Amino acid sequence: AQTVTQSQPEMSVQEAETVTLSCTYDTSENNYYLFWYKQPPSRQMILVIRQEAYKQQNATENRFSVNFQKAAKSFSLKISDSQLGDTAMYFCAFIHTTSGTYKYIFGTGTRLKVLA
Amino acid sequence: KAGVTQTPRYLIKTRGQQVTLSCSPISGHRSVSWYQQTPGQGLQFLFEYFSETQRNKGNFPGRFSGRQFSNSRSEMNVSTLELGDSALYLCASSINSAKETQYFGPGTRLLVL
Repeated sequence: AQTVTQSQPEMSVQEAETVTLSCTYDTSENNYYLFWYKQPPSRQMILVIRQEAYKQQNATENRFSVNFQKAAKSFSLKISDSQLGDTAMYFCAFIHTTSGTYKYIFGTGTRLKVLA
Repeated sequence: KAGVTQTPRYLIKTRGQQVTLSCSPISGHRSVSWYQQTPGQGLQFLFEYFSETQRNKGNFPGRFSGRQFSNSRSEMNVSTLELGDSALYLCASSINSAKETQYFGPGTRLLVL
C-alpha cells in the first residue's frame, strides 16, 4: 500500500532562517507526482510545490525548494528566509497513476511556526 | 479569475440525515476533486470528477456520492450521516486532472450531532 510519512508533527523556526520539512513515501509505482501543500490558519489549502517523479531536477518556487531523492523515496521541503506568513500546516502528498486511475495520498502534516 | 467557492461554509446536521455540499470550480477548470479532513484521519481523497464523470474514487462507503454538472460545478452528497462524518470537506479544481496544480476552496465544515 502506498503511504506518505511526515515524521515531524511540529516545528518552529526563527524569521529569516531556513527550515527543512521531511517527507518519505512508499510506493512500487514508477509514475507518480509529489506535492507540498500549505494550509494557513485560515484553512485554505495552497499548493507550494509540485514534482514529477520522472524529472531528476528538484523543483523550486521562489523561497521554497525540494530535495527529491527517488531511490530513497524522500521528498523534503526547504523554506529559505522564513517569513511570518509561512506559519501553517504543511502537507506532503503523493499521487500515483496506474492505467489512468490514481489515488491521492496525504501525509499527516507538519505544523510550522515561524517566530518573530 | 474567481477562486474555488464552496457552499455552505458551515453546516450542522443530525445523525441519519443527508447533506449536499456544493463546489464551483475556477472558470475553465474541468476537474473537481473532493477531500475529507478530520483531526483523526487527516486528509483523505474522496473522488474526482471530470466532464460529468467520476474518474477516480477513494476508499469511502457508498453513502458518499457526488456528481458534476455540464458547467463543471460539482456536488457531494452524504446520506445517512454518522457522527464520524463530522469534518472539513474540501473541494479542489484543476484544468484537467488532479495530477496538475489544484486550487482549493475554503471548505465546508460539517458537524453531525
